Amino acid sequence: AQSVAQPEDQVNVAEGNPLTVKCTYSVSGNPYLFWYVQYPNRGLQFLLKYITGDNLVKGSYGFEAEFNKSQTSFHLKKPSALVSDSALYFCAVRLVNRDDKIIFGKGTRLHILP
Amino acid sequence: KAGVTQTPRYLIKTRGQQVTLSCSPISGHRSVSWYQQTPGQGLQFLFEYFSETQRNKGNFPGRFSGRQFSNSRSEMNVSTLELGDSALYLCASSSEAGTAYGYTFGSGTRLTVV
Repeated sequence: AQSVAQPEDQVNVAEGNPLTVKCTYSVSGNPYLFWYVQYPNRGLQFLLKYITGDNLVKGSYGFEAEFNKSQTSFHLKKPSALVSDSALYFCAVRLVNRDDKIIFGKGTRLHILP
Repeated sequence: KAGVTQTPRYLIKTRGQQVTLSCSPISGHRSVSWYQQTPGQGLQFLFEYFSETQRNKGNFPGRFSGRQFSNSRSEMNVSTLELGDSALYLCASSSEAGTAYGYTFGSGTRLTVV
């Protein structure tokens, strides 16, 4: 069965430090991969996606993600964290076949400490 | 261009009642998906509609149903509400189904069942 795992429920990072939010997936076939962010009482906002090509994908607000096919991972990164980055982050995968619903991970809460 | 609009934003219902939630996608978007978000389960896929046809359905009981109209607006209905149905219900639209496009989410409807 296809799945997305975000192994950390919460990540704490000091402001100015680099941050990483981990995501691994298990699918049959080639996936499209996404990261979304959710602020309190809001819907999800699209950050970035990997479709094909360069394994390093750059997205909104200075975030980037690295696709690693051998490790089936798509970790979200940012070189220097801001307090305003504190939010709930979701990794998602969409299967490239007829059954192409988007599957989300359970989310990782990111706390940036001032 | 207007975003995805979900109404109402908040709803309180009594156990055993039924409820209808509405979602208006971004103009021109033909795909609408619904998700249930709870703290314990994360984002659970309910169903996806494209051009008035249900393309995918998640693992929810038959009390959960949906439909899409010719103008792409979608509704979801939950009958015989249970306390466990309390959640944030998110609607997302996409210009196409089955492609590399990501979703644009609405702000959600917060349903509380008492």
